[in-house]
Amino acid sequence: GESVGLHLPTLSVQEGDNSIINCAYSNSASDYFIWYKQESGKGPQFIIDIRSNMDKRQGQRVTVLLNKTVKHLSLQIAATQPGDSAVYFCAENGGYSTLTFGKGTMLLVSP
Amino acid sequence: GAVVSQHPSRVICKSGTSVKIECRSLDFQATTMFWYRQFPKQSLMLMATSNEGSKATYEQGVEKDKFLINHASLTLSTLTVTSAHPEDSSFYICSASELAGPNEQFFGPGTRLTVL
Repeated sequence: GESVGLHLPTLSVQEGDNSIINCAYSNSASDYFIWYKQESGKGPQFIIDIRSNMDKRQGQRVTVLLNKTVKHLSLQIAATQPGDSAVYFCAENGGYSTLTFGKGTMLLVSP
Repeated sequence: GAVVSQHPSRVICKSGTSVKIECRSLDFQATTMFWYRQFPKQSLMLMATSNEGSKATYEQGVEKDKFLINHASLTLSTLTVTSAHPEDSSFYICSASELAGPNEQFFGPGTRLTVL
């Protein structure tokens, strides 16, 4: 199966910068997408979701953009803080109620 | 709200023994619970989907006789790793969904299994 090996894609930013994390999804029939944040040794934490009838959704400091034409999802984090450092996963609905997770991106925020 | 707990948070066992991991939804009734496995620096891989009172649906390549899933109530699912071997060492994470269909899953904190 697909594997990222031992190296996650990493995005390094300075505190206060805006961060953009990208995700390409595989199934053009997917109609529900979620971004999760996972800190080391913990379970994933919900950040924001979006359904396929929308192309943008905003939360507190976060915005998700969905481009169905090119099957691309992005997560924008405004004014990134050191506490935002984590691995971020996008997920798309697979079967009826399952989620298929992307490979993940590690976000490193330096003060 | 929407809290999911797992127990134990970490377990070390000898090769050949069985280990049971519990997943509970604390403040909601879970229509469906899911079990994932995650190796270091990799993504979450779905192992199985379970609904209360019915047999779990396992993903391709996951041995159902090795990873026994019981979903006895709307708030509790258990995963038993039978005859564990060192290659079963991993981070096991459960999640629960309150509604049917494509919706948010609430994740537990994970269980770190180390098989010696």
